[in-house]
Amino acid sequence: DQQVKQNSPSLSVQEGRISILNCDYTNSMFDYFLWYKKYPAEGPTFLISISSIKDKNEDGRFTVFLNKSAKHLSLHIVPSQPGDSAVYFCAASAWDDKIIFGKGTRLHILP
Amino acid sequence: DSGVTQTPKHLITATGQRVTLRCSPRSGDLSVYWYQQSLDQGLQFLIQYYNGEERAKGNILERFSAQQFPDLHSELNLSSLELGDSALYFCASSVVTDSYNEQFFGPGTRLTVL
Repeated sequence: DQQVKQNSPSLSVQEGRISILNCDYTNSMFDYFLWYKKYPAEGPTFLISISSIKDKNEDGRFTVFLNKSAKHLSLHIVPSQPGDSAVYFCAASAWDDKIIFGKGTRLHILP
Repeated sequence: DSGVTQTPKHLITATGQRVTLRCSPRSGDLSVYWYQQSLDQGLQFLIQYYNGEERAKGNILERFSAQQFPDLHSELNLSSLELGDSALYFCASSVVTDSYNEQFFGPGTRLTVL
């Protein structure tokens, strides 16, 4: 049973446009959400997070939106750059519990 | 560079064998986590140690075990290996134990079971 779902295995976006990566979760106890980015042959690196008391968190070109009623979050990257091409993992956790990761979405930024 | 090191980078072995993966956390981090990433799968949490003690267990098979030593490095032991154990194994570390803390991942060990 997948508690964190990333339904798009891959996404292609033109350089300079907005990339939107989506994530759905099923566990209503989750109250902290994270995005990790992974390049080939490297471990995932933390990108941005959001607590359930917020509905938006912004860090430079990256913004995460949380819709608790829909159990949905999204990561927006604006503008998209070639270096953003990577696999993005959505993750969620409940207080003092392990982090559950989604399967990831591979983002391709097209020149 | 996350500061987390994992050895070896690649491991090729045969079914039925036993291997040990090693992880050194970032300096000062007391928590170590192990994850498995199989083909087309997300990162599956296996087990967490905090300051030498097992803290949380995930989808870890009985054939797998781990420990964290006094110097805080950790080892993941995989025995009676099967073809399906072929995967990337990541170690991550964080300062404390709760999941609100960012985890820093190592580069992973790629295990191939033939």
